[in-house]
Amino acid sequence: GDSVTQMEGPVTLSEEAFLTINCTYTATGYPSLFWYVQYPGEGLQLLLKATKADDKGSNKGFEATYRKETTSFHLEKGSVQVSDSAVYFCALEKGNRDDKIIFGKGTRLHILP
Amino acid sequence: DGGITQSPKYLFRKEGQNVTLSCEQNLNHDAMYWYRQDPGQGLRLIYYSQIVNDFQKGDIAEGYSVSREKKESFPLTVTSAQKNPTAFYLCASNSPPYGYTFGSGTRLTVV
Repeated sequence: GDSVTQMEGPVTLSEEAFLTINCTYTATGYPSLFWYVQYPGEGLQLLLKATKADDKGSNKGFEATYRKETTSFHLEKGSVQVSDSAVYFCALEKGNRDDKIIFGKGTRLHILP
Repeated sequence: DGGITQSPKYLFRKEGQNVTLSCEQNLNHDAMYWYRQDPGQGLRLIYYSQIVNDFQKGDIAEGYSVSREKKESFPLTVTSAQKNPTAFYLCASNSPPYGYTFGSGTRLTVV
């Protein structure tokens, strides 16, 4: 079945470091791919998305490129801030009316000042 | 502004008591979902509904019930049959292929 695998956390970085959180997927067809962010005590917010191969989603300095050849959607940011500390979820959606989004298990990110 | 409203933000349940968590959306989305999140864990699907007056069990439906009488509303009842209900509950709605919109969550604690 369809699935999403993301790197286990926690990931701890110093402020201004480069961030990569790996995400790979298994799915038939051409899913849309998403990154969600969850700040402490809050719900999930859509961070960025890509709907077809080679699309790059970007928001708030974060980027991810839909790589169909490697079935990946890695999240990157060039210079992280303490305020980026959160849990990040990778997800896929097939786009059919009856399909549910499939989430990865989440990666907790700690940024040290 | 369109969005999802969950209430209350914090809820305390006594042993043997049923409690209902509210979820309302004004996004005109057909599909709505309830997830449970335990500390340090991912999301587990409880129930979902893709149309009014219809809903399906998710992965952990035992001890929970839902209704979908209106498009805008999808309340979740945590029954006394749910033996370990302390968790963070998230409601979401969806309009494929644009991704889910989540509420801000309800934290339920058994006292």
